[in-house]
Amino acid sequence: DTGVSQNPRHKITKRGQNVTFRCDPISEHNRLYWYRQTLGQGPEFLTYFQNEAQLEKSRLLSDRFSAERPKGSFSTLEIQRTEQGDSAMYLCASNPGNRDGYTFGSGTRLTVV
Amino acid sequence: TQLLEQSPQFLSIQEGENLTVYCNSSSVFSSLQWYRQEPGEGPVLLVTVVTGGEVKKLKRLTFQFGDARKDSSLHITAAQPGDTGLYLCAGTGGTSYGKLTFGQGTILTVHP
Repeated sequence: DTGVSQNPRHKITKRGQNVTFRCDPISEHNRLYWYRQTLGQGPEFLTYFQNEAQLEKSRLLSDRFSAERPKGSFSTLEIQRTEQGDSAMYLCASNPGNRDGYTFGSGTRLTVV
Repeated sequence: TQLLEQSPQFLSIQEGENLTVYCNSSSVFSSLQWYRQEPGEGPVLLVTVVTGGEVKKLKRLTFQFGDARKDSSLHITAAQPGDTGLYLCAGTGGTSYGKLTFGQGTILTVHP
């Protein structure tokens, strides 16, 4: 068990480019979450998977954001046509289905220039 | 929409002092959690409280869940520089499929 792994750790991209982040959850954790966090603020919920099914997506999330978890294991988060306002830390968490089971990755820091 | 308000937003104290961080909501949560986060890392779970009025202690940290399950507090006794970090409360509601709703966080700095 190596914890939740996120790649890359840092990404700098030009405005208008597409970016994709990957999250590898703890093995056999059937729940996977994506959050976005700006400096000094709490994480904001983006979307949630149970196995391969995307069960909830934040209403604040624009159509430029899409997430997948094709085989119920790793997940990807893609942002199309990035904007400067997308600059943030993107966090992934997984959970085996209990209240105390949330484990977060170290995040991907996105900077849009 | 369930919201959590944390206060204070910033706290700067000297080593050895005590402090309390508050987390309040108008909504009822089925459980409430406290996390600590260091720069460049993800949040790390400290405690989960479930029952109204529940008190949990973790060394110098004391966590309390309000009787109505709408608020919580974190009290640190004799703070140390190693306690420095971002403290986050997060709640789960019955209809939210397990997603966490976070407060905006309290940035704690403990000076030696």
